[in-house]
Amino acid sequence: EAQVTQNPRYLITVTGKKLTVTCSQNMNHEYMSWYRQDPGLGLRQIYYSMNVEVTDKGDVPEGYKVSRKEKRNFPLILESPSPNQTSLYFCASMPYAGSSGRPPSSYNSPLHFGNGTRLTVT
Amino acid sequence: KQEVTQIPAALSVPEGENLVLNCSFTDSAIYNLQWFRQDPGKGLTSLLLIQSSQREQTSGRLNASLDKSSGRSTLYIAASQPGDSATYLCVLILTGGGNKLTFGTGTQLKVEL
Repeated sequence: EAQVTQNPRYLITVTGKKLTVTCSQNMNHEYMSWYRQDPGLGLRQIYYSMNVEVTDKGDVPEGYKVSRKEKRNFPLILESPSPNQTSLYFCASMPYAGSSGRPPSSYNSPLHFGNGTRLTVT
Repeated sequence: KQEVTQIPAALSVPEGENLVLNCSFTDSAIYNLQWFRQDPGKGLTSLLLIQSSQREQTSGRLNASLDKSSGRSTLYIAASQPGDSATYLCVLILTGGGNKLTFGTGTQLKVEL
């Protein structure tokens, strides 16, 4: 089954304690991305990756790091979490559209989301 | 910059009604449009995908249409059920290189018994 798997689903931690949220996809997608969702603000992009070893900042990257050493994995790292990072986090993946903006012909269900990680930082 | 607005922001209907959710966008240079539902505190489940060359897609009681010239997509839900209660999001995948995504503002639907 095609899926994006995030772990953990729930995480409660304290300020300053480093944590990693894992994201893995089994669809051989080039593009992966992290979002946070907060009430009234919708989904905001944190970081994204077009392919292995290629990452870039989204709209709200402060306080986060990512890495893309393998195609299937895209972990989100909070080096020193703070209470304002309490949020619901989503990982997503899709095939890469390429510089021409034209996705491959097998572009049938491009965007897949993980089930989310509810993070609370106290 | 592409802006995506979903109207209404919230909707409450009695069970059995047919309803229409709207997604309006300002830039017609989109490649795909995908509708998702999200249950409170849960993940996003893909409902329907419309490619830019298509006009509509159907799945069960759901029908989504796309009119790029007017900058609008609609999600039609027939014979609504309490289990349809969720937030519905439209997501635009844009042309112009890379994988640019723009999320709609969402419609929170409640179907009452």
